Amino acid sequence: ETGVTQTPRHLVMGMTNKKSLKCEQHLGHNAMYWYKQSAKKPLELMFVYNFKEQTENNSVPSRFSPECPNSSHLFLHLHTLQPEDSALYLCASSPGGAGGEETQYFGPGTRLLVL
Amino acid sequence: GEDVEQSLFLSVREGDSSVINCTYTDSSSTYLYWYKQEPGAGLQLLTYIFSNMDMKQDQRLTVLLNKKDKHLSLRIADTQTGDSAIYFCAEKYTGTASKLTFGTGTRLQVTL
Repeated sequence: ETGVTQTPRHLVMGMTNKKSLKCEQHLGHNAMYWYKQSAKKPLELMFVYNFKEQTENNSVPSRFSPECPNSSHLFLHLHTLQPEDSALYLCASSPGGAGGEETQYFGPGTRLLVL
Repeated sequence: GEDVEQSLFLSVREGDSSVINCTYTDSSSTYLYWYKQEPGAGLQLLTYIFSNMDMKQDQRLTVLLNKKDKHLSLRIADTQTGDSAIYFCAEKYTGTASKLTFGTGTRLQVTL
């Protein structure tokens, strides 16, 4: 399998549930990202990992917890979410490092609905 | 802070050219990107331009960069129904290793 994959593609959860989103990249990249895409809002960067270290946390509520066990995998653990957290969650990867062109390649996203 | 703006909607007839515009605020942008998002899908990279270039052409796509006005455009020649999607511009600026700032996206509708 090539590129960036995300599972599940669709998720419905209650506010008291705990679930995890998974992202895997097969591009040999060292940087990975979580974005949130809500209707009529710009794409919101949530977290950045570079060489497995978190380098960016854009004031994301603690009910979202990222995990990056290695450069190929990225998880987003979800617990006690709110209905306004319903959105498309996109994962991306890029070569990593500073100063370069750093094109980000995106996965297909997980469509999350919080009831 | 950094800000990237796009118009929300563009409608063109099949076979015509489409021009999608983007303005940005950070003059230290190094790379500027165009992504395409089809319904239910992630963002697909279309093309990018380095800030020392004025123009880049790739088949039906032409990117124009006006650094003085901080204006970026994407021209799609001979627009097809398969080009219907949301188009995002994004900038990478100096000072951050891997961070892009995205515009709000322009929805392109291609009519017959």
